[in-house]
Amino acid sequence: DSGVTQTPKHLITATGQRVTLRCSPRSGDLSVYWYQQSLDQGLQFLIQYYNGEERAKGNILERFSAQQFPDLHSELNLSSLELGDSALYFCASSVVEGLASPNEQFFGPGTRLTVL
Amino acid sequence: AQKITQTQPGMFVQEKEAVTLDCTYDTSDPSYGLFWYKQPSSGEMIFLIYQGSYDQQNATEGRYSLNFQKARKSANLVISASQLGDSAMYFCAMREGQDDKIIFGKGTRLHILP
Repeated sequence: DSGVTQTPKHLITATGQRVTLRCSPRSGDLSVYWYQQSLDQGLQFLIQYYNGEERAKGNILERFSAQQFPDLHSELNLSSLELGDSALYFCASSVVEGLASPNEQFFGPGTRLTVL
Repeated sequence: AQKITQTQPGMFVQEKEAVTLDCTYDTSDPSYGLFWYKQPSSGEMIFLIYQGSYDQQNATEGRYSLNFQKARKSANLVISASQLGDSAMYFCAMREGQDDKIIFGKGTRLHILP
């Protein structure tokens, strides 16, 4: 158990809908990352938040947005869903202590999104 | 160009043998970190080992060691005395410079045979 929690575990929805994925980082971790894992694209970084502020952006579609709340939990909002958005969405957290530290990321169990 | 290349999509290895999973990386930043993660069939991503670009010695964590060859830009994972529970997908990944985000390779699926 990494200490990172994600809800829900599974989500099945229809095209055009909007969903919210939730992540609680490990206790003490200030940074949250979102990744998408699909069969064709592999594991792709979407976005990072650090202590409530957006810190880095990757291949995140405009239909997707995220935020990190004062209690450090984060939500990933996916709207106008398409079939191709079906994937495993991971949240990860790390302390972020600077360049000398591994800053290894601890991953949650993921949310499997199926868009029908 | 791909930042992380894992050339072995799949491998079959006999139990108790040592395994080497290949990984090459591409960066012009002198400061970077290399990671290996394991993803069993249950789906979770498990951190295995880390190597910093300035680390003088190869990283080791139990049965895992990282064969870091900086000049060749390779960071192969070595698993000694493989076990059935090692069957999983293995991802090599990199963090560059000031970036915290991790870039992942496509992965290698390892099958340990009894």
